[in-house]
Amino acid sequence: EPEVTQTPSHQVTQMGQEVILRCVPISNHLYFYWYRQILGQKVEFLVSFYNNEISEKSEIFDDQFSVERPDGSNFTLKIRSTKLEDSAMYFCASKLDGVYGYTFGSGTRLTVV
Amino acid sequence: GENVEQHPSTLSVQEGDSAVIKCTYSDSASNYFPWYKQELGKGPQLIIDIRSNVGEKKDQRIAVTLNKTAKHFSLHITETQPEDSAVYFCAASPGGGADGLTFGKGTHLIIQP
Repeated sequence: EPEVTQTPSHQVTQMGQEVILRCVPISNHLYFYWYRQILGQKVEFLVSFYNNEISEKSEIFDDQFSVERPDGSNFTLKIRSTKLEDSAMYFCASKLDGVYGYTFGSGTRLTVV
Repeated sequence: GENVEQHPSTLSVQEGDSAVIKCTYSDSASNYFPWYKQELGKGPQLIIDIRSNVGEKKDQRIAVTLNKTAKHFSLHITETQPEDSAVYFCAASPGGGADGLTFGKGTHLIIQP
């Protein structure tokens, strides 16, 4: 069964450093998403991406965040200057055009120290 | 924006019994209601979903009911098994396109042997 692949599975970074989280969506999917889950809390929507541009973003997705699809297979989330409160599990997801259900990746646990 | 409330936060049932998890939502524009199962260290996995043009959907031991007038939907798991133990999240969105999902806070389902 096709999977959404995320790397790394765990990243530790110093506060103030830039971090890039990487995702390889399912190959024929056209919509891409980032969500985050702070430990013990609910999953929160960050941003959706379609046709090489951001479609929708939440209040969490401020100027410190950016997304990019640098080539035909990768989808990245960049946090420019990490804060302690950015520590969370970050999930990438993708879906086909014309369907409703997403496929989530296994996540990257980001720890900011 | 959309607000999704989920109850209970923890549910413990005997193996073989049924489990019911309930969610309410606030935005009448929401038309798509998925349920996700999250096991420890993994990403959310879609287990069943319903759109607002139907009131009930069933897939083997899992069923979802939707009451659009009252803005609530429920997950029913019958004949529970140990492997059903996980955190379950409900979510809502306008559906289709690039819309993000708004998640509930999750229910930790514990199946007692």
